[in-house]
Amino acid sequence: DQQVKQNSPSLSVQEGRISILNCDYTNSMFDYFLWYKKYPAEGPTFLISISSIKDKNEDGRFTVFLNKSAKHLSLHIVPSQPGDSAVYFCAGYSGAGSYQLTFGKGTKLSVIP
Amino acid sequence: GAGVSQTPSNKVTEKGKYVELRCDPISGHTALYWYRQSLGQGPEFLIYFQGTGAADDSGLPNDRFFAVRPEGSVSTLKIQRTERGDSAVYLCASSLIPGLADTQYFGPGTRLTVL
Repeated sequence: DQQVKQNSPSLSVQEGRISILNCDYTNSMFDYFLWYKKYPAEGPTFLISISSIKDKNEDGRFTVFLNKSAKHLSLHIVPSQPGDSAVYFCAGYSGAGSYQLTFGKGTKLSVIP
Repeated sequence: GAGVSQTPSNKVTEKGKYVELRCDPISGHTALYWYRQSLGQGPEFLIYFQGTGAADDSGLPNDRFFAVRPEGSVSTLKIQRTERGDSAVYLCASSLIPGLADTQYFGPGTRLTVL
């Protein structure tokens, strides 16, 4: 049972346009969500997070939206830059005792110059 | 370098052999996590240490896998009688404040290949 789903394995976007990466989850116990970015041969790098009590969190070019009733998150990158090309992972976390992150399979973003 | 380091970066072994993977967390981080990432998948949780003790080992797939953190800093993941299905990237992460997931900092991983 996949608790975090990223249904688009890949996404291509023109430089300067908006990138929208989507994530769905099934575990209603998740109360915190994170996005990680991963380049080849490197570990995941934390990008942005959101608590389940919020519906939006913004950090520079990156904004995460949470629709709790739909159990859906999205990451918006505006404007997209070639350096944003990487694999993006969505992860959920329950603060009730366990500190493990549950990751989706990732979406590979390619930003075309 | 102040980040999480992992050695070796690559390990090739034969089926049935024993391997050890090492993780050096960020200095001062009390929490340490091991994850495994198979091809085409996201990282999957294996074990979490708070200090020297394994607070949650529910992700270890079977008793061939074992991890230690004897002095509350460096951790070693040990795999006995390796199988081809153990081939994956093993990621280590550490955090200063356990429970705040956004503080998990990952190392570059060890790519294990079992022939």
